[in-house]
Amino acid sequence: QSALTQPASVSGSPGQSITISCTGTSSDIGGYNYVSWYQQHPGKAPKLMISDVSNRPSGVSDRFSGSKSGNTASLTISGLQAEDEADYYCSSYTSGTTEIFGGGTKLTVL
Amino acid sequence: QVQLQESGPGLAKTSETLSLTCTVSGGSIRGSYWSWIRQPPHKGLEWIGYINYSGSTNYNPSLKSRVTISVDTSKNQFSLKLSSVTAADTALYYCARGVRAIDNWGQGTLVTVSS
Repeated sequence: QSALTQPASVSGSPGQSITISCTGTSSDIGGYNYVSWYQQHPGKAPKLMISDVSNRPSGVSDRFSGSKSGNTASLTISGLQAEDEADYYCSSYTSGTTEIFGGGTKLTVL
Repeated sequence: QVQLQESGPGLAKTSETLSLTCTVSGGSIRGSYWSWIRQPPHKGLEWIGYINYSGSTNYNPSLKSRVTISVDTSKNQFSLKLSSVTAADTALYYCARGVRAIDNWGQGTLVTVSS
């Protein structure tokens, strides 16, 4: 069970949009609509930002959106703000009825 | 507002068993699934396993032979035991509510494995 593949880092300027990809296989991302995204600030616990590929929990800014195509899921953050600088992790349900995380992506707001 | 709090020794000896407990407050442990997740220093998240209030469990295949998660509904707690630990098991251990969409996390507790 290998971790889902995410870019190690992405960056963007305030106001811009960025997209973080998360690539798996047909046994996880490609096989189920159970992809979640988490935001983690330094020294803090992760926070759920997106569930079930594209659902935004109550209280999460609509600048955050999720999508999926084949074996790759994506998180898009529009109107980038300084407070968005954090680590982002994807996760997916797998065919072994377990969960798997991505390796994480560090977002830098320039 | 449901809150989760991890507790247990911050130090474990190589080859011994790591034991942690998560206390759920502000709500019942019934009706939800509960997970353990860990994060080695400066590294990513790793899902360990989950349990529901009736004791049904599922574990990360890579840890399955060493992991036991149990629940005590009378105390509103669930627990993690990880046997035969090595330095590679040094991590911040989180307890959390949910499995596919984890919407509530404890603050995490650091466990260091040393000889």
